[in-house]
Amino acid sequence: DTEVTQTPKHLVMGMTNKKSLKCEQHMGHRAMYWYKQKAKKPPELMFVYSYEKLSINESVPSRFSPECPNSSLLNLHLHALQPEDSALYLCASSQYKTTPSYNEQFFGPGTRLTVL
Amino acid sequence: AQSVTQPDIHITVSEGASLELRCNYSYGATPYLFWYVQSPGQGLQLLLKYFSGDTLVQGIKGFEAEFKRSQSSFNLRKPSVHWSDAAEYFCAVGRDDKIIFGKGTRLHILP
Repeated sequence: DTEVTQTPKHLVMGMTNKKSLKCEQHMGHRAMYWYKQKAKKPPELMFVYSYEKLSINESVPSRFSPECPNSSLLNLHLHALQPEDSALYLCASSQYKTTPSYNEQFFGPGTRLTVL
Repeated sequence: AQSVTQPDIHITVSEGASLELRCNYSYGATPYLFWYVQSPGQGLQLLLKYFSGDTLVQGIKGFEAEFKRSQSSFNLRKPSVHWSDAAEYFCAVGRDDKIIFGKGTRLHILP
């Protein structure tokens, strides 16, 4: 299985809602990533988890809260978002450090988030 | 600081014509280099990667790229494009758990 899955595909939420995005991989990868992508822009890194521990937080606002319950699963909890947070949220995974390919990231299809 | 430059925001080619997308990187050490493709509303798919060794790299969907250290370039090529190749193409440098993406090149295909 060489796939990263993300649910839901689309999400519409109000500014007072709490919602979660889910990402799953079964490739045995030990690094997982959240990216935010605005229209016509490259993906921007938000968080990196290595061996289920948060290793990189790119100064993301606290209304985004990541969680890595196990090596296959990555969540992004959303609370009190702003309309400017509307974007495509991409999850990715990779092997970690022990081989030259550790930077090769496999991406999921993304969750299209709209904040009203 | 490491960076990736894709000088062409848009490129239009006719179906069946050859294609070259340009990418220049700025990084002190030997970089890990990637080309990703993204269709509208989709995630990113890896086309090819360069870590070391042969500087001409073959990828999926008939794409290839050549690493030229002297020019700090990693250009993507395809001898004959298909309408389904219309998409956004991102060149990227990988290092230390991060991928640094270029701004992307939008490829348009004329019938």
